[in-house]
Amino acid sequence: GENVEQHPSTLSVQEGDSAVIKCTYSDSASNYFPWYKQELGKRPQLIIDIRSNVGEKKDQRIAVTLNKTAKHFSLHITETQPEDSAVYFCAASIPGAQKLVFGQGTRLTINP
Amino acid sequence: NAGVMQNPRHLVRRRGQEARLRCSPMKGHSHVYWYRQLPEEGLKFMVYLQKENIIDESGMPKERFSAEFPKEGPSILRIQQVVRGDSAAYFCASSPVRQGSGGRETQYFGPGTRLLVL
Repeated sequence: GENVEQHPSTLSVQEGDSAVIKCTYSDSASNYFPWYKQELGKRPQLIIDIRSNVGEKKDQRIAVTLNKTAKHFSLHITETQPEDSAVYFCAASIPGAQKLVFGQGTRLTINP
Repeated sequence: NAGVMQNPRHLVRRRGQEARLRCSPMKGHSHVYWYRQLPEEGLKFMVYLQKENIIDESGMPKERFSAEFPKEGPSILRIQQVVRGDSAAYFCASSPVRQGSGGRETQYFGPGTRLLVL
């Protein structure tokens, strides 16, 4: 079955700098890749997603890139702000499968 | 449009008791997914249901755990004879279409039920 690896597990950056979180997946058939942000004690919230027919997607300070050949995708946050501090999860979905397979999460801390 | 609703938000049970977790999907969503999150870990898929049908329960433990999504009312995840290892956050998600079908398959999560087994 699909396996998703996420790195790093923790990331600390200075406010205003960029943060990059990377994920790799095992099943080349995966075609949907969402990213969720989870604040302490809260629900995971979708922040951006990408499908395998595009290589990059951007929404204001957040962007996701996908490399199907290498089977990895990355989340990029620019001009980080303290409210970006949270745990971020990547996930992947295979056509015909009924679930999302999540990475282990990255705890992002933005230092003022 | 109300989001995914879950109750209770917190549940404390003693070992051997039963836990019942409820999930009401977003309006217009007929696909429900349950995930478990252990402390400091990611979300693990448990089960996927449509109305009156369990479609995929490959992530459910074989014993003590069951799920349903009746024609009327919320989806229910039931854990019988709870043990300390069942302590976790249980999240429900819903989508307007089946995950993996392409198109509007985004899953929206509820606030979770935090189960503590004493």
